Amino acid sequence: DAGVTQSPTHLIKTRGQHVTLRCSPISGHKSVSWYQQVLGQGPQFIFQYYEKEERGRGNFPDRFSARQFPNYSSELNVNALLLGDSALYLCASSIVAGRNEQFFGPGTRLTVL
Amino acid sequence: KQEVTQIPAALSVPEGENLVLNCSFTDSAIYNLQWFRQDPGKGLTSLLLIQSSQREQTSGRLNASLDKSSGRSTLYIAASQPGDSATYLCAGPSNTGKLIFGQGTTLQVKP
Repeated sequence: DAGVTQSPTHLIKTRGQHVTLRCSPISGHKSVSWYQQVLGQGPQFIFQYYEKEERGRGNFPDRFSARQFPNYSSELNVNALLLGDSALYLCASSIVAGRNEQFFGPGTRLTVL
Repeated sequence: KQEVTQIPAALSVPEGENLVLNCSFTDSAIYNLQWFRQDPGKGLTSLLLIQSSQREQTSGRLNASLDKSSGRSTLYIAASQPGDSATYLCAGPSNTGKLIFGQGTTLQVKP
């Protein structure tokens, strides 16, 4: 079975632009979470979705938004990009929302110039 | 508010040495604890998950323990190899399921 997949692998944008990152969970997993990892730090929680509904949101500005589709894949959108948004964006899937083991994708490396 | 701390931040050992990585958390109401490995620029690979009702889990040369009363978890790596060089992260979920990560321990195993 395929693991969690994310696209694109790398992305370069300029300040003020918009970006969309995509994630496909493991087959049978209904929950997707997004994390931001700045170089040298542990990942920080952004969003959790389960059955197409937002179940949790981290301390990120409204420029960050996400959604989950009927096939349980997910998109993370970031508007008005800032230099500080440069990071590795990680997607994790779990069978259901809550205290279940989470499996991570390879990440999308976003560079904002 | 749950906070997770990992010590040391970096570790360099010769090949073959046994080593222990430490993870501490502030809220003992932790539901489970997950250890991950991250290679440079890559995603996270789940190594071990310790349920709140368990005290330890083993996988090959890896053994992780969980002591909720003291707010600590340790990852023991036996007979370290150069291929073990990576950053190791521990994380515990809140009751909503979001993972709270430590900053990681970067391990270098020298041949």
